[in-house]
Amino acid sequence: RKEVEQDPGPFNVPEGATVAFNCTYSNSASQSFFWYRQDCRKEPKLLMSVYSSGNEDGRFTAQLNRASQYISLLIRDSKLSDSATYLCVATYNTDKLIFGTGTRLQVFP
Amino acid sequence: DAGITQSPRHKVTETGTPVTLRCHQTENHRYMYWYRQDPGHGLRLIHYSYGVKDTDKGEVSDGYSVSRSKTEDFLLTLESATSSQTSVYFCAMKGEFRTGELFFGEGSRLTVL
Repeated sequence: RKEVEQDPGPFNVPEGATVAFNCTYSNSASQSFFWYRQDCRKEPKLLMSVYSSGNEDGRFTAQLNRASQYISLLIRDSKLSDSATYLCVATYNTDKLIFGTGTRLQVFP
Repeated sequence: DAGITQSPRHKVTETGTPVTLRCHQTENHRYMYWYRQDPGHGLRLIHYSYGVKDTDKGEVSDGYSVSRSKTEDFLLTLESATSSQTSVYFCAMKGEFRTGELFFGEGSRLTVL
């Protein structure tokens, strides 16, 4: 079983829609969590950190539920440019980062 | 300036041959990582380094070795390549105080025939 699991999708949504992804992690010792974005055939890039209290960055909202060991990413008002794969990340011992398999999002006109 | 580069970007080799992938950074970052990415598996950590000559294993380290003799270079070696090691390999770096922000290279596509 992977330490960080995600639904691979794809999630196909129309422009303007709200879409949410979940990610579960198995190691309760995980300390920090992040969402990365990866465009096709490109390298991953940090999208946002995930804080226990929840945090927003424009149209993106991230939440962490330590009791249930999952994190979520909500995207409001989806744009065509949001089409990408979204990777969930958990860290161990600060410097070891474990990625989920990724959730693919396709936004259509 | 990318700050982190990988070489070669593409390589085709035969089963049983040794392969070395190089990662070079110009940011003086302490941490460096090697991941492989495969369909259905996502990014999997192979090895990482937390300083010169300091390395540790990741999720899928069997068949791989690494070396870091200088801060700027992190080498990944496949002693005897197998077809199961056909993959896209990403190198990444991280500053000491930025817990989750990895900066990735553009990837190296390796095909083992």
